[in-house]
Amino acid sequence: QQQVKQSPQSLIVQKGGISIINCAYENTAFDYFPWYQQFPGKGPALLIAIRPDVSEKKEGRFTISFNKSAKQFSLHIMDSQPGDSATYFCAAREGYNFNKFYFGSGTKLNVKP
Amino acid sequence: DVKVTQSSRYLVKRTGEKVFLECVQDMDHENMFWYRQDPGLGLRLIYFSYDVKMKEKGDIPEGYSVSREKKERFSLILESASTNQTSMYLCASRLARNTGELFFGEGSRLTVL
Repeated sequence: QQQVKQSPQSLIVQKGGISIINCAYENTAFDYFPWYQQFPGKGPALLIAIRPDVSEKKEGRFTISFNKSAKQFSLHIMDSQPGDSATYFCAAREGYNFNKFYFGSGTKLNVKP
Repeated sequence: DVKVTQSSRYLVKRTGEKVFLECVQDMDHENMFWYRQDPGLGLRLIYFSYDVKMKEKGDIPEGYSVSREKKERFSLILESASTNQTSMYLCASRLARNTGELFFGEGSRLTVL
């Protein structure tokens, strides 16, 4: 059973549009929620992360929205660019076992020029 | 910049062969991880090492073992490869237990025939 459920599986957005990827979880012991970006042939790289005491975090064109009561968090990519085309993974870490990260199944984003 | 190097990018092995996957990090990180990445399943933790000679099983350790004799090097061993171990294997490192960011290598794609 997947601890972090991610949707959609794939996403096509026009250049300049907003890309939105959603994740949901059940385990209230999660205390850290990172998003990783992976380009073909490369390993995932940390994009942005949030802790549950904050409802929103913004870094440039990338924003995480966090809804603790709904146990959902999402990544918004504003003004999406072709260079953003990659696979995005959300993840969650257990607060009592810092070694355990649970990853979503990934979203393949294609930004069309 | 942190560099995590997986020396074998592509391997083809036969069922029953012993397989070694090597990972080296150059930033004196305490923690190292081996993940398996499969389409639709995200990343799943195989093994984790929090220090030299110290290891913990992850979520899917069956059929795998690990070795960490030096701080910078973490090896994944498949004692007798099977076709269901065909996958992308990702090594990651982390500075210390209380830091969040994982730094990933570029992956080793293993095909078992």
